[in-house]
Amino acid sequence: EVQVLESGGGLVQPGGSLRLSCAVSGFTFSIYSMSWVRQAPGKGLEWVSGISGSGASTYYADGVKGRFTISRDNSKNTLFLQMSSLRAEDTAIYYCAKSKRIDSSSSGFDYWGQGTLVTVSS
Amino acid sequence: DIQMSQSPSSLSASVGDGVTITCRASQSISSFLNWYQQKPGKAPKLLISAASSLQSGVPSRLSGSGSGTVFTLTISSLQPEDFATYFCQQSYSTPYTFGQGTKLEIK
Repeated sequence: EVQVLESGGGLVQPGGSLRLSCAVSGFTFSIYSMSWVRQAPGKGLEWVSGISGSGASTYYADGVKGRFTISRDNSKNTLFLQMSSLRAEDTAIYYCAKSKRIDSSSSGFDYWGQGTLVTVSS
Repeated sequence: DIQMSQSPSSLSASVGDGVTITCRASQSISSFLNWYQQKPGKAPKLLISAASSLQSGVPSRLSGSGSGTVFTLTISSLQPEDFATYFCQQSYSTPYTFGQGTKLEIK
């Protein structure tokens, strides 16, 4: 059974930093691309960042480029999102999502975690 | 970036009705279009990938079609569990943009 579990969310002041983690099980983590998708309260879905199975390739939305860093530890089946210079508009539930196809995100995301809430406020 | 727009933004229908949601891309995305369902307080669920490929376990009353820039999600004979918000998403190129969502409510 595939399991995806995010952690690390919380309340942070503007300009602060936070590191999200996503622990997975039930599939061969190292061969699947993974992504972070966020959802501001009462709003739609926004893809934030993605990473290839090996970790060699990373991708970012324009609004987080230079502030967020995605990474993965395939030995520990864990995905990370390091967030810095946080802004109020980064407040959202952050979901970790597994790509359906091996090392490609071309067929969408078939497993999602329950999300972790990040609140940026003074 | 590729912009995705859905219509309508909200829709009221009754159990047993058929409904269609449309998703338009700002440029051709071939068939790299996915549909998700989200219920309040829950993570999105992948329903259809590659425009028309039904995910395992998804009932056959749901179907997807389209290619290029115009896509549709059709639900025939709505069931109580279908009332939710639906999002389209392009997976043609990063950033993988989503439509703004269509909220399907019970009439």
